[in-house]
Amino acid sequence: KNEVEQSPQNLTAQEGEFITINCSYSVGISALHWLQQHPGGGIVSLFMLSSGKKKHGRLIATINIQEKHSSLHITASHPRDSAVYICAVRPMNYGGSQGNLIFGKGTKLSVKP
Amino acid sequence: DAGVTQSPTHLIKTRGQQVTLRCSPKSGHDTVSWYQQALGQGPQFIFQYYEEEERQRGNFPDRFSGHQFPNYSSELNVNALLLGDSALYLCASSEEGSRTSGRFYEQYFGPGTRLTVT
Repeated sequence: KNEVEQSPQNLTAQEGEFITINCSYSVGISALHWLQQHPGGGIVSLFMLSSGKKKHGRLIATINIQEKHSSLHITASHPRDSAVYICAVRPMNYGGSQGNLIFGKGTKLSVKP
Repeated sequence: DAGVTQSPTHLIKTRGQQVTLRCSPKSGHDTVSWYQQALGQGPQFIFQYYEEEERQRGNFPDRFSGHQFPNYSSELNVNALLLGDSALYLCASSEEGSRTSGRFYEQYFGPGTRLTVT
């Protein structure tokens, strides 16, 4: 079982829809990242959070440390939001083979006009 | 600020060959981490360099080695390439500083180098 699980794996939405991507993890963490990866590979960091909620434009990220769960929401989705969204966690026991970030497999989002 | 840069963008090598990938961190960052991302998978941690030394290592064989230079730039070397080494190699930089500080910093990713081994 992966230490970081994302759902859904694939998501197709119509422009304007509200989108939610979920991330569950099984290790103690000091931080959680939401990342965006466009075709071609480049990764952009959207949020880094350790508690509560953060908002940036149409993006909102929440985390519940007790439940080991985080969600990424996109309001008023647009075709340019089409990308792979990746959840990554920094384990509490920073060090060793786990490294400094453990990644989920990503959620591929496609927003149709 | 150019952000994190990587070179080359794409690379094709033959099994058994050796490859060197390069990364320049974001200005002000002193720590470089390398990740391997196979097609359809999330990135996997290879190693991290700070103060020109390997500080952490993931579950990768010794064929994967690295180096960090005084200007904080870094190289990833892979020897005796296998077909399974074909992947996107991502570099990320951060201002980690001392591990014992207890602080954590956001990582900034480069565009990646796409390595194809034939």
